[in-house]
Amino acid sequence: DTAVSQTPKYLVTQMGNDKSIKCEQNLGHDTMYWYKQDSKKFLKIMFSYNNKELIINETVPNRFSPKSPDKAHLNLHINSLELGDSAVYFCASSQGLYQETQYFGPGTRLLVL
Amino acid sequence: GNSVTQMEGPVTLSEEAFLTINCTYTATGYPSLFWYVQYPGEGLQLLLKATKADDKGSNKGFEATYRKETTSFHLEKGSVQVSDSAVYFCALSDRRSNYQLIWGAGTKLIIKP
Repeated sequence: DTAVSQTPKYLVTQMGNDKSIKCEQNLGHDTMYWYKQDSKKFLKIMFSYNNKELIINETVPNRFSPKSPDKAHLNLHINSLELGDSAVYFCASSQGLYQETQYFGPGTRLLVL
Repeated sequence: GNSVTQMEGPVTLSEEAFLTINCTYTATGYPSLFWYVQYPGEGLQLLLKATKADDKGSNKGFEATYRKETTSFHLEKGSVQVSDSAVYFCALSDRRSNYQLIWGAGTKLIIKP
């Protein structure tokens, strides 16, 4: 059973489009995260949610909006996609807000043309 | 603020060579320290961790010792294999950062047969 899953795995789209990435974890964790990894592998946290409540909201453009319908899901919606949004997006989860070990999904490779 | 500095990659070694990937940190408190590994095309996964000074984390033949006096957590392995080729991330978390993981830039390791 996959612990943290993301869909889609690959996403190729045109500039200006709106797209969503879904994430689900079956670990029973309370906390979930979204990360962006650029082409140089640099990892940057975007958001974290704890029990469906937004905890961390780094300086991310308003075009990015996370949504957590329940503790097991954290989706990422991106409006008006730009070339610079091309990256790999990782979802992760941890047992709780102060539990340091994070479990990562396989990533969604987004390419904006 | 807290930060993590890793040696720049790529690091290229022959199979069975000795590996060291340097990691130093800046933190005002007593952080926990981590090494995560990202195999090609996959998400990150925890490799090892240490939560207090002089602790040694170990897993899959890799080791790292928490050295408070030198603020370091260098990753070592005695004999690397081709399958160890991956990107390795050093990270820290502590109370001051609300246990948010602070990531190094990642070091790509290439092992040649």
